[in-house]
Amino acid sequence: GAVVSQHPSRVICKSGTSVKIECRSLDFQATTMFWYRQFPKQSLMLMATSNEGSKATYEQGVEKDKFLINHASLTLSTLTVTSAHPEDSSFYICSARVLLAQETQYFGPGTRLLVL
Amino acid sequence: AQSVTQLGSHVSVSEGALVLLRCNYSSSVPPYLFWYVQYPNQGLQLLLKYTTGATLVKGINGFEAEFKKSETSFHLTKPSAHMSDAAEYFCAVSRGGNNRLAFGKGNQVVVIP
Repeated sequence: GAVVSQHPSRVICKSGTSVKIECRSLDFQATTMFWYRQFPKQSLMLMATSNEGSKATYEQGVEKDKFLINHASLTLSTLTVTSAHPEDSSFYICSARVLLAQETQYFGPGTRLLVL
Repeated sequence: AQSVTQLGSHVSVSEGALVLLRCNYSSSVPPYLFWYVQYPNQGLQLLLKYTTGATLVKGINGFEAEFKKSETSFHLTKPSAHMSDAAEYFCAVSRGGNNRLAFGKGNQVVVIP
């Protein structure tokens, strides 16, 4: 149980285009999902907290207009990287919190974004 | 605010030897503590967690960790390393209204045959 999927697993795009990444909880409802960014050989940095039906809460230094987050249902959150630039290239990982086990986050497999 | 310290970015261990990864945390309230493992190009998999109760926590793949409040530590151990244990390991702490996780910098474990 507690499986989280992400799509796509890998994406290459041209500079200036927008990319949407989906995060789904497959076998449970997630009132809260989190989006992280991970640079090579570094730890995960929390970008934003996404609550179903409300606006996301962004961490300091994360541009909310650049990284659009939508959490339209209890099983789906999306991250859209708008007008992507090469410096946005990174590994993006989402996690979901199980409704009845609020202290634990279950992570998706990640999405590798390369902006050319 | 919570924070986590993991020393030694790379840890080499011989196959069959003890695996010991150290984690120290700071938290102004009783913490929830986690160890996650990450294989190349994959997300994080929960190894084990401490929330309340017994301070010695057993996880998957033969790993265990002990919460020591007096030492503000949550070190991860496995008695005998296996080649499949080669991965990146992250310690994390959370507490607070939204239970946001703060991660350590991670330990890259290399298992030597």
